[in-house]
Amino acid sequence: GEDVEQSLFLSVREGDSSVINCTYTDSSSTYLYWYKQEPGAGLQLLTYIFSNMDMKQDQRLTVLLNKKDKHLSLRIADTQTGDSAIYFCAESQSGTYKYIFGTGTRLKVLA
Amino acid sequence: EAQVTQNPRYLITVTGKKLTVTCSQNMNHEYMSWYRQDPGLGLRQIYYSMNVEVTDKGDVPEGYKVSRKEKRNFPLILESPSPNQTSLYFCASRLRESSISRSYEQYFGPGTRLTVT
Repeated sequence: GEDVEQSLFLSVREGDSSVINCTYTDSSSTYLYWYKQEPGAGLQLLTYIFSNMDMKQDQRLTVLLNKKDKHLSLRIADTQTGDSAIYFCAESQSGTYKYIFGTGTRLKVLA
Repeated sequence: EAQVTQNPRYLITVTGKKLTVTCSQNMNHEYMSWYRQDPGLGLRQIYYSMNVEVTDKGDVPEGYKVSRKEKRNFPLILESPSPNQTSLYFCASRLRESSISRSYEQYFGPGTRLTVT
């Protein structure tokens, strides 16, 4: 079945860039998403990319999609302590409401 | 304020005692869904509904029931809870797909932490 994989932990220093990686198996994915979960809260959509795009930039966030390798990454520039959270990669297909989420990557930002 | 609400936020119960977790959204969204979050497993979709009276199984539906009698509500029912259903549960909603709206944006509730002893 479909699967989405992420590494579990990432630690960076404040001001550095963070890169969170994700691989997925479903080649028919239409949308790929990055969600952020702060402690004790629900998930919040950070950004998304359509499967026919290679890159998307949104302020400090850059999403890169390599369709051939089924690899998605999220780069956070100038990482701040407020960016400490769990980041989930997810994919879905057009015309359905089925979502596959990754395991989440816990980002810790050191002051 | 546009939101998804869940009740209760915390629940401790015993094996076999039926329970219902309510979910309500005020955004007139067609799609609603339930997820469970477990350490190391991420979020897994339990059930989803694409409209009133239309529901479908997600990846982990066993032991759960849902109903969608009204557009705004999507309760999750555990008829006979077991300890392996101890988890953090999230309800979410989204607009039906449209080329005009931001229909890809899924809104999540604050979560319900369930413990079954």
